[in-house]
Amino acid sequence: SAVISQKPSRDICQRGTSLTIQCQVDSQVTMMFWYRQQPGQSLTLIATANQGSEATYESGFVIDKFPISRPNLTFSTLTVSNLSPEDSSIYLCSGAGDLNYGYTFGSGTRLTVV
Amino acid sequence: GESVGLHLPTLSVQEGDNSIINCAYSNSASDYFIWYKQESGKGPQFIIDIRSNMDKRQGQRVTVLLNKTVKHLSLQIAATQPGDSAVYFCAENTGFQKLVFGTGTRLLVSP
Repeated sequence: SAVISQKPSRDICQRGTSLTIQCQVDSQVTMMFWYRQQPGQSLTLIATANQGSEATYESGFVIDKFPISRPNLTFSTLTVSNLSPEDSSIYLCSGAGDLNYGYTFGSGTRLTVV
Repeated sequence: GESVGLHLPTLSVQEGDNSIINCAYSNSASDYFIWYKQESGKGPQFIIDIRSNMDKRQGQRVTVLLNKTVKHLSLQIAATQPGDSAVYFCAENTGFQKLVFGTGTRLLVSP
């Protein structure tokens, strides 16, 4: 399965600013996803990153708050905009190959908003 | 670093015991299931998967059982070791290759 590099690993940001998280996969994957994991909780899917087109967002997540890019098969970014303390969380990138195999996760970005 | 799973159900076992972690999934149409292990400060790590046309699959020290009738998934860890201490999540493919995660269980292994 793919190896996923995610950066930054952590950041502390001022409220009202934005943070962009990068995700690089070492091999081509069919699908890329972004998840949020709030403290002490499970993972919630934010969106599916689509190559060369707009991401597909889950209920409760909108493009203005979480713009996503995926310019090629191996790279994606997630921006968390207009930060508030409620955005403090771990954000995780995931990639999946064909036929549902190889769901791999990056190590996550721990965001703290102050 | 900050721990995940601070508010999750906890299973405490002694080293050498067998552990069973359970998961109820939501979608009867889900056709693929994965168990992940997440250690503090790390992303989820793949443990084992199973497709809906199977009811059991074994790996090294781990077995996953699938009961589609009651939408239940379990992970059995044989001879549990302190290094198995982590949060364990089940995940189901609900379609379009999207994974939906269960609430998670924290496994604590005492030496």
